[in-house]
Amino acid sequence: KAGVTQTPRYLIKTRGQQVTLSCSPISGHRSVSWYQQTPGQGLQFLFEYFSETQRNKGNFPGRFSGRQFSNSRSEMNVSTLELGDSALYLCASSLTGEEVTEAFFGQGTRLTVV
Amino acid sequence: GQSLEQPSEVTAVEGAIVQINCTYQTSGFYGLSWYQQHDGGAPTFLSYNALDGLEETGRFSSFLSRSDSYGYLLLQELQMKDSASYFCAVSFHGGATNKLIFGTGTLLAVQP
Repeated sequence: KAGVTQTPRYLIKTRGQQVTLSCSPISGHRSVSWYQQTPGQGLQFLFEYFSETQRNKGNFPGRFSGRQFSNSRSEMNVSTLELGDSALYLCASSLTGEEVTEAFFGQGTRLTVV
Repeated sequence: GQSLEQPSEVTAVEGAIVQINCTYQTSGFYGLSWYQQHDGGAPTFLSYNALDGLEETGRFSSFLSRSDSYGYLLLQELQMKDSASYFCAVSFHGGATNKLIFGTGTLLAVQP
């Protein structure tokens, strides 16, 4: 079966701009989570969506937002980009429910803010 | 708060056994899992411990002790391709929640 697909793979943006990243989960998976990975902070949880509803949000400013569509595809948006937003953004999908026994990650979107 | 600590780097030789520890200060989680990530690629799932004890999957084994707030990943018969970063993660519960909190990560270097 097809894995988790994230687009685009690479992005370069300038400070102040906004960006939208996309994630298509594995077919049948209804939960999509987003993570930010930086060398200094590791993998940080951004938010999680299930059936078009945000169930969890990490400690990130309101500039970070997301949504999920009826087909479970998800997008995240970062507005007013800052240099510190440069990171690998990873999306993970899992089947459903509350216990994440196994999450499937996409290849990520490498965002560089200049 | 929730935190999971791992050694930042571990070095071992091909064919050897290495243990990567994960100590945590959190509670109320479903289980402890381990992920492997090669050089900025996608993290891939290795194992999951819902209960205390040892889980074995081929060359990899994982252990959890909730009473000691401790877990580890054991890699046997190390191969060069095992050089990667390894992350422990806890799966949280509480209401309608589904999230993983990751450890600080361990960079494993396997030498010939």
